[in-house]
Amino acid sequence: AQKITQTQPGMFVQEKEAVTLDCTYDTSDQSYGLFWYKQPSSGEMIFLIYQGSYDEQNATEGRYSLNFQKARKSANLVISASQLGDSAMYFCAMRELSYGNNRLAFGKGNQVVVIP
Amino acid sequence: DGGITQSPKYLFRKEGQNVTLSCEQNLNHDAMYWYRQDPGQGLRLIYYSQIVNDFQKGDIAEGYSVSREKKESFPLTVTSAQKNPTAFYLCASSMVGLNTGELFFGEGSRLTVL
Repeated sequence: AQKITQTQPGMFVQEKEAVTLDCTYDTSDQSYGLFWYKQPSSGEMIFLIYQGSYDEQNATEGRYSLNFQKARKSANLVISASQLGDSAMYFCAMRELSYGNNRLAFGKGNQVVVIP
Repeated sequence: DGGITQSPKYLFRKEGQNVTLSCEQNLNHDAMYWYRQDPGQGLRLIYYSQIVNDFQKGDIAEGYSVSREKKESFPLTVTSAQKNPTAFYLCASSMVGLNTGELFFGEGSRLTVL
């Protein structure tokens, strides 16, 4: 069963506007972590932000924030003030901590294109 | 600079040939991983290792093999048994035991079977 679901089609965003990328997850664990990664056309994966299941505050890192709604099993990424360099694929991932290891399960990604 | 080095960046192979992808890290991480990415898809875990001389199968291990003889190195062999090996392969590493520890990735190796 798919653990991470990202279903939005490719998105075009105007420069300087905010964009929200949807991510829903499926787990029966009480303890888990959620990650967002950025993959530009070069192919490398760049870590953006982390949210723990017990964290009471939504995570923020510069222009990135994570809208964490635990009851809905939702972990949406918000990018504020989009820049041309934000054009990339964005992947949501989850670590189920009961596994005792750091392996991540990834969604299929959201394509974002920022237009001037 | 600390990081993960994958080589080669591009690789072409004829059907029926084995090929080995290299992954080296100097981050002193205990855990290392291999993921496969197909066009329009997310990353799928092939193998991972949390300690030297030990590794576990991921979700799509068939047709692949790995070794972990040194902490710094985690090579992946794509064997002739892998039916559809053309893909983008990403190696990653992380600390162990740190719940918030993210995966650090290499730049990837693109394998094309002719």
